[in-house]
Amino acid sequence: DTGVSQNPRHKITKRGQNVTFRCDPISEHNRLYWYRQTLGQGPEFLTYFQNEAQLEKSRLLSDRFSAERPKGSFSTLEIQRTEQGDSAMYLCASSPRDRGLPGELFFGEGSRLTVL
Amino acid sequence: AQSVTQPDIHITVSEGASLELRCNYSYGATPYLFWYVQSPGQGLQLLLKYFSGDTLVQGIKGFEAEFKRSQSSFNLRKPSVHWSDAAEYFCAVGVGAGGTSYGKLTFGQGTILTVHP
Repeated sequence: DTGVSQNPRHKITKRGQNVTFRCDPISEHNRLYWYRQTLGQGPEFLTYFQNEAQLEKSRLLSDRFSAERPKGSFSTLEIQRTEQGDSAMYLCASSPRDRGLPGELFFGEGSRLTVL
Repeated sequence: AQSVTQPDIHITVSEGASLELRCNYSYGATPYLFWYVQSPGQGLQLLLKYFSGDTLVQGIKGFEAEFKRSQSSFNLRKPSVHWSDAAEYFCAVGVGAGGTSYGKLTFGQGTILTVHP
């Protein structure tokens, strides 16, 4: 069990640029989640995948945000035309479908985005 | 919609002292409640959870939490704090049973714990 892996760990970009984050979940976990955490706040739910299907999206996920999980394994979160308000830590988590109970999420270390 | 309030942004305790971190939730049905810990440079780690049954739940690292429905609270406790417990602690509530909502947690703002030697 190698844990949830996120890349890159840090990204600094200029306003208006596109950025993409990658998440590799724990291999046997079929559920994958993206959360966003801003300074001084708890994580906020963004979206959820079961296998390759994106089953739920938060209203926080504007049309500049897109998440994919093409083969039900790794996932990407892309932010287009970044804005300074997008600066945050983007957290990925995974959970098993059958063994896991609600909310037993395994989090990665996060990808920190700074938009200048 | 559910919500979670952690009234204390920052708590400082001496090593060996007891600890209680407060958490109040708002949710219309039976809640699923969690405490996570986040150390610097580390991912969030589940400390303990409550789904049903015994209202006093035990977790990892010597932590426990008590669910009090009448007070809508789920406070985290530890009898004797170690320096390694310094971290940020998050209380969270999960949406009720339903496959598509598993893992959709609402977190509180967090409580930063500082431990003095």
